[in-house]
Amino acid sequence: EVQLVESGGGLVQPGASLKLSCVASGFTFSDYWMSWVRQTPGKTMEWIGDIKYDGSYTNYAPSLKNRFTISRDNAKSTLYLQMSNVRSEDTATYYCTRQGDYPVKGFAYWGQGTLVTVSS
Amino acid sequence: DIVMTQGALPNPVPSGESASITCQSSKSLLHSNGKTYLNWYLQRPGQSPQLLIYWMSTRASGVSDRFSGSGSGTDFTLKISSVEAEDVGVYYCQQFLEYPLTFGSGTKLEIK
Repeated sequence: EVQLVESGGGLVQPGASLKLSCVASGFTFSDYWMSWVRQTPGKTMEWIGDIKYDGSYTNYAPSLKNRFTISRDNAKSTLYLQMSNVRSEDTATYYCTRQGDYPVKGFAYWGQGTLVTVSS
Repeated sequence: DIVMTQGALPNPVPSGESASITCQSSKSLLHSNGKTYLNWYLQRPGQSPQLLIYWMSTRASGVSDRFSGSGSGTDFTLKISSVEAEDVGVYYCQQFLEYPLTFGSGTKLEIK
């Protein structure tokens, strides 16, 4: 069974940095592109970015590219999201996601999410 | 960026009635390969989103056949026939044609 478990969220002050993790199990992690998606308290869904299965390539939402970095450690089956200079508008639940197996084109697997609250 | 615009539902929808959720994209999602890169998700209260429909009209594994997706290159509809209590939640459309991937604002379904 595919499982994605996020961690690392919490209360953080504006301007600080935070690193989220997502531990994957139930599949060969190094075979898949992985993505981060966030959902604001108002329920807006925003794709943050993704990373190639070998970690050699990333794509980002343009508005977040300068502050967020996605990485992975295939030996640990773990996906990361490094957030820097966080702002109040970064307050959201952050989800780790994986696409389905071919021919499924969509986020077929989601973690339970980790809540990040940016506030002083 | 491709903007996804979702319509609202006349909530609450009586149980057993059908409901149609609309989604419009600012650019055609029809790829040259003939596939339309449009997905639908349902987020039930307190849960993570789940994939309902991909390629505009293909149901994901385990999804009830009461859910059906249709549309053209820019206008899409998710139809739920005979709504049930378990269908309550927020429905999102999402385009997968090009980066950045974008979602609609969500459509809430309530049942009467």
